Amino acid sequence: GQQLNQSPQSMFIQEGEDVSMNCTSSSIFNTWLWYKQDPGEGPVLLIALYKAGELTSNGRLTAQFGITRKDSFLNISASIPSDVGIYFCAGPNDYKLSFGAGTTVTVRA
Amino acid sequence: EAEVAQSPRYKITEKSQAVAFWCDPISGHATLYWYRQILGQGPELLVQFQDESVVDDSQLPKDRFSAERLKGVDSTLKIQPAELGDSAMYLCASSPGTSGEQWETQYFGPGTRLLVL
Repeated sequence: GQQLNQSPQSMFIQEGEDVSMNCTSSSIFNTWLWYKQDPGEGPVLLIALYKAGELTSNGRLTAQFGITRKDSFLNISASIPSDVGIYFCAGPNDYKLSFGAGTTVTVRA
Repeated sequence: EAEVAQSPRYKITEKSQAVAFWCDPISGHATLYWYRQILGQGPELLVQFQDESVVDDSQLPKDRFSAERLKGVDSTLKIQPAELGDSAMYLCASSPGTSGEQWETQYFGPGTRLLVL
C-alpha cells in the first residue's frame, strides 16, 4: 500500500501550547484525512481535505493540504488535556485508506 | 448518534485456539471494513464488504482468517488457529457505500483488543 510518513512520532507538550505535526507521502493524494484515536477506542475523523492548498479548521484544529499533494499538516492551538491521543493521517487510494503510523500527543497539565 | 458496535472489547486466548469478533455497522451502511492495528502502527485493511459481497480481501491471511457478512448487515471475523503475532486491535468500520465516490467517510467502532498467549 501507500507509505505515509508522520512526524514527529511522539510529542510531550505543555497545556496551552500550539502543536504541529505533518505527514508526507511519496505518492500524490487527492484527499487527505486526519483522524484522532483515544486510548482503547477506534479512530475518529477530525478533518478531511479535498484540494491542494486547502486550509480547513475544526475548532482548535487546522489542517492544510500541501501544494504538491504529497504532504499535509495538522495544527492544534492552545492544547488542553483532552488532546491526548494518537493522530493519524490517511489517504484514500483505489477505494482503500492508507494510514500513517501516527503521532502520539501527551499533554502535561 | 449511531455508532459501530463491536464485541468483545477484549479477548485473551492461547495460540492455536480459535477466536471470533463481531461487528454491527451503522444502520443502513452498505460498506463494512475490518482493519488490524498493531501497536504503534496505523490500521491496515484486512477485508472490505459491499453488502454481503467481499470487495477486497487481498490483505487477509486466508490460511487462518475468515470473514463473513451473510445478510449484508453484521459481520464476523474469525481466526483459526490464532498465532502470537495476531495480537493486535481489530477495528471494524462502516460507510454508507452509496455515494459512488472513490472515498467515503468511514466510521470506526471501538475495536477488539486481542492478546494471544
